[in-house]
Amino acid sequence: NAGVTQTPKFQVLKTGQSMTLQCAQDMNHEYMSWYRQDPGMGLRLIHYSVGAGITDQGEVPNGYNVSRSTTEDFPLRLLSAAPSQTSVYFCASSYSREVGNSPLHFGNGTRLTVT
Amino acid sequence: AQSVAQPEDQVNVAEGNPLTVKCTYSVSGNPYLFWYVQYPNRGLQFLLKYITGDNLVKGSYGFEAEFNKSQTSFHLKKPSALVSDSALYFCAVRDMGTGANNLFFGTGTRLTVIP
Repeated sequence: NAGVTQTPKFQVLKTGQSMTLQCAQDMNHEYMSWYRQDPGMGLRLIHYSVGAGITDQGEVPNGYNVSRSTTEDFPLRLLSAAPSQTSVYFCASSYSREVGNSPLHFGNGTRLTVT
Repeated sequence: AQSVAQPEDQVNVAEGNPLTVKCTYSVSGNPYLFWYVQYPNRGLQFLLKYITGDNLVKGSYGFEAEFNKSQTSFHLKKPSALVSDSALYFCAVRDMGTGANNLFFGTGTRLTVIP
């Protein structure tokens, strides 16, 4: 099983550029989410989805967009990158729509640097 | 608002000794509590959870955690540490009193097991 696949693994952007971080899962999970991990701050939720066509904001949504057109895919879009978005980004999914009823499965992360 | 505190950034323990990684939480309703582990350059992996029932929860790799409602704590423990337990550990909570469908993570504790 591939589990949760994130691409790319590394990315360097210039301020103002846009890009999409890809996330795909092959476990038929309903819940998908994006977190960012910063030193000393743990993981913070950006956006999440409980099924195709349904998305909602997390703790730090500004500067990011998401969509969920299929159960498998949950891309994260940076519209105009800023240095404050330099971080490691994790996609996570779980079987249950209610997070915590089943474990979160994490991808291996995308390390993004904005110069 | 929900919050999680991991008061120790770093915990060092000798191989074979018992280990404890501390976590306290603050929620408005009943908590769902979790421990995740992160190895270098990888996503987080689920260790164990408490939702209801027995206050002592057993999880993967010989880890266990004790839910203490009066002290609002959920410390992670293992009777005998292994060098391979060295990793970054995250406590997380879902506040069932808010209706928010997300997990709130602590800042992480780096565990180093010394041979």
